Amino acid sequence: AQKVTQAQTEISVVEKEDVTLDCVYETRDTTYYLFWYKQPPSGELVFLIRRNSFDEQNEISGRYSWNFQKSTSSFNFTITASQVVDSAVYFCALSGRGNKLVFGAGTILRVKS
Amino acid sequence: DGGITQSPKYLFRKEGQNVTLSCEQNLNHDAMYWYRQDPGQGLRLIYYSQIVNDFQKGDIAEGYSVSREKKESFPLTVTSAQKNPTAFYLCASSPRDGSYEQYFGPGTRLTVT
Repeated sequence: AQKVTQAQTEISVVEKEDVTLDCVYETRDTTYYLFWYKQPPSGELVFLIRRNSFDEQNEISGRYSWNFQKSTSSFNFTITASQVVDSAVYFCALSGRGNKLVFGAGTILRVKS
Repeated sequence: DGGITQSPKYLFRKEGQNVTLSCEQNLNHDAMYWYRQDPGQGLRLIYYSQIVNDFQKGDIAEGYSVSREKKESFPLTVTSAQKNPTAFYLCASSPRDGSYEQYFGPGTRLTVT
């Protein structure tokens, strides 16, 4: 069975602080895909990144960066110099051989000015 | 503009009534999905379809039904058999299967009293 754990239920930071959202996954598939989504207060999920299991290269996109480590089954997401607009619920998700997306419970990020 | 539309944004029904939630996409995606989100929880898969006239049950299909007569449309019916229908429902689509990123609609918040 596949499982995604986001142990941080809620994180509060002050603007300009860096923040890391943790994601740990479980799967027996050798080929799988990991995703991060952002859900702002409007409710619509916004796709942020997709990573396949054979690509452990870290990625940076502006203030966002992702650290994928197969050895620890983790796919953590860091926001550098956080802004109020980053306040949202962030979901980590996993897709394996069954082609169904399994979501973590989400982490609520509150960025205060 | 390409995207996914869900209507209505808010829906109120009396217990015992069936209700159909609309989902349309003009992204030319093959696969479509329905998720349910309860407060403080991640998304759970209700049904998905990877091709017209074919669909599969997700993790919580009981009390729901779907159809996929057109590539662009994937309506979800919440039947009176669904014991706790009040929730936020999100529709998504992806180019092919679950290994690709999914794009989400704005969601429908259903309240049953």
